[in-house]
Amino acid sequence: ELKVEQNPLFLSMQEGKNYTIYCNYSTTSDRLYWYRQDPGKSLESLFVLLSNGAVKQEGRLMASLDTKARLSTLHITAAVHDLSATYFCAVLSTNAGKSTFGDGTTLTVKP
Amino acid sequence: ETGVTQSPTHLIKTRGQQVTLRCSSQSGHNTVSWYQQALGQGPQFIFQYYREEENGRGNFPPRFSGLQFPNYSSELNVNALELDDSALYLCASTLLGPTDTQYFGPGTRLTVL
Repeated sequence: ELKVEQNPLFLSMQEGKNYTIYCNYSTTSDRLYWYRQDPGKSLESLFVLLSNGAVKQEGRLMASLDTKARLSTLHITAAVHDLSATYFCAVLSTNAGKSTFGDGTTLTVKP
Repeated sequence: ETGVTQSPTHLIKTRGQQVTLRCSSQSGHNTVSWYQQALGQGPQFIFQYYREEENGRGNFPPRFSGLQFPNYSSELNVNALELDDSALYLCASTLLGPTDTQYFGPGTRLTVL
């Protein structure tokens, strides 16, 4: 059974600092997604990573995928308060028609 | 806005009751998935429907069932509600393609007393 592990689960950082969230998964997958969720809200799609070595960037967030290591990273550059949220990675198994999510990383950016 | 709507927004039920949650997908999206998200956890896959047929199922008992309709709407039905069914229920619609990106609705918060 596919397992997805994120770390850290909680991250408190100061504005202006850099940090990386890690997402490990246990079996070969077809797609990897990153989502953002604000408290009490639904999930917002951030990135879709399709192949080994894929890198996507949007603003202060950059996601990458290493399919050989079964690892994706979400790098935060010069954090700002607006980035405070919970970030989830999810892995899609198309043959099973299901997405498996990690437990999320709750990011708090302090001034 | 993702174009995916869910109703109701909040719902309170008692143990043993039945509930129906509804989702309206983006026009043209032929796949809908349902997830259960307990407080402080990631979403758990319940099942997926493709062209009105169940296309995949997670580790949920048969009392969780669903329907998908030709007009891109769908339902999640839960029978014999248990306290542990209290959660945020999310639907996500997808147009199958290169990225299979899921567009999530705002969710229904179900509380079972």
